[in-house]
Amino acid sequence: EVQLVESGGGLIQPGRSLRLSCIASGFNFGDYSMSWFRQAPGKGLEWVGFIRKKGYGGTTEYAASVRGRFTVSRDDSKGIVYLQMNSLRTEDTAVYYCSRAGLGWAFLDYWGQGTLVTVSS
Amino acid sequence: DIQMTQSPSSLSASVGDRVTITCRASQGIRNDLGWYQQKPEKAPKRLIYAAFNLESGVPSRFSGSGSGTEFTLTISSLQPEDFATYYCLQHNSFPWTFGQGTKVEIK
Repeated sequence: EVQLVESGGGLIQPGRSLRLSCIASGFNFGDYSMSWFRQAPGKGLEWVGFIRKKGYGGTTEYAASVRGRFTVSRDDSKGIVYLQMNSLRTEDTAVYYCSRAGLGWAFLDYWGQGTLVTVSS
Repeated sequence: DIQMTQSPSSLSASVGDRVTITCRASQGIRNDLGWYQQKPEKAPKRLIYAAFNLESGVPSRFSGSGSGTEFTLTISSLQPEDFATYYCLQHNSFPWTFGQGTKVEIK
């Protein structure tokens, strides 16, 4: 069974850093690109970042709102994708979701349950 | 960036009604579009991928159509469990962008 489990959220002060993890199981993690999304309270969904599988270079893409502050990385040996969030702002407060981004039918088919990040002083 | 204009933003319909939600892309995205259902406090659930392909296990009352710039999600006979918010997402080019969402309420 495919599972994605996010962790690492919590209350953090503006300007500080936080790292989220998404632990994958039930599929060959190294064969999949992965993506992060977020949803601010009462708002719609927003794409945050993306990391290609190593076979596609392992390169990353980011939303303009987080570029230069957030970094997506992966550890294929552990089946984990990370979201390193630096210089956090109050507007980064959201539930953060990870999803696998395979090709065709396997594109964004499974999502984690989300982890809440609250940026507040 | 590709803008996704989703309409309506909300609707109220009766059980058994046919419901149609539309997403228009600001430029052509081939069929690189998915539809997602989200219930309160839950993760998004994929309903449709590549514009018209039904996710396994999703009831056949859901269908997707369109290509290029205009896409439609149709619920042929609305059921009480379909109360949710629906989003389209284009992944033709970065940044991926969602529509604003359509909140479906049951009359």
